[in-house]
Amino acid sequence: AQSVTQPDIHITVSEGASLELRCNYSYGATPYLFWYVQSPGQGLQLLLKYFSGDTLVQGIKGFEAEFKRSQSSFNLRKPSVHWSDAAEYFCAVGNTGTASKLTFGTGTRLQVTL
Amino acid sequence: EAEVAQSPRYKITEKSQAVAFWCDPISGHATLYWYRQILGQGPELLVQFQDESVVDDSQLPKDRFSAERLKGVDSTLKIQPAELGDSAMYLCASSFSTGFVGELFFGEGSRLTVL
Repeated sequence: AQSVTQPDIHITVSEGASLELRCNYSYGATPYLFWYVQSPGQGLQLLLKYFSGDTLVQGIKGFEAEFKRSQSSFNLRKPSVHWSDAAEYFCAVGNTGTASKLTFGTGTRLQVTL
Repeated sequence: EAEVAQSPRYKITEKSQAVAFWCDPISGHATLYWYRQILGQGPELLVQFQDESVVDDSQLPKDRFSAERLKGVDSTLKIQPAELGDSAMYLCASSFSTGFVGELFFGEGSRLTVL
């Protein structure tokens, strides 16, 4: 069964500082990997996705993520955080087949200090 | 921009009552998902539809939860009777892709509070 681990429950960074959110996955085949962001009381918005090809993927809002097969990781990064980036971030892994679905991690809450 | 519509946004009910949530996916999206998100946790899949057929309901508590998508378009998730532990955000998502997980588009969710 596929699974995702986000080891950091809560991270606080200063505005303008760099950010890295960790994600480790477990999946038997080539994974499809996603990062979603959720503002309080809202649904989830896709930041970026990895299916194949270049292991460094660019997303919206200046985010990027790097797929490292050897480490089973898909960490999310941003070089300079803005106060509006404060939210909950979820990593997810997708499978293929008839019942294709996303399995989410428990999330990392990002707080940005001014 | 097309969106996934959900209603109601908020629902407060007493335990043992019945509740229902509605979802209208993006037009043309064959796959529809209902996820439950308990406060402080990630979304967990309850049920997945491909058109009008259920393809995965292994995590749906079938003694009290039911879901349908009769015409393969909009969907209803029902809980009867509601229990305190059902308090959560219920998220609907849809996807164009079949047999392959493409991007899921989420609605804003329905937050349920059971008293």
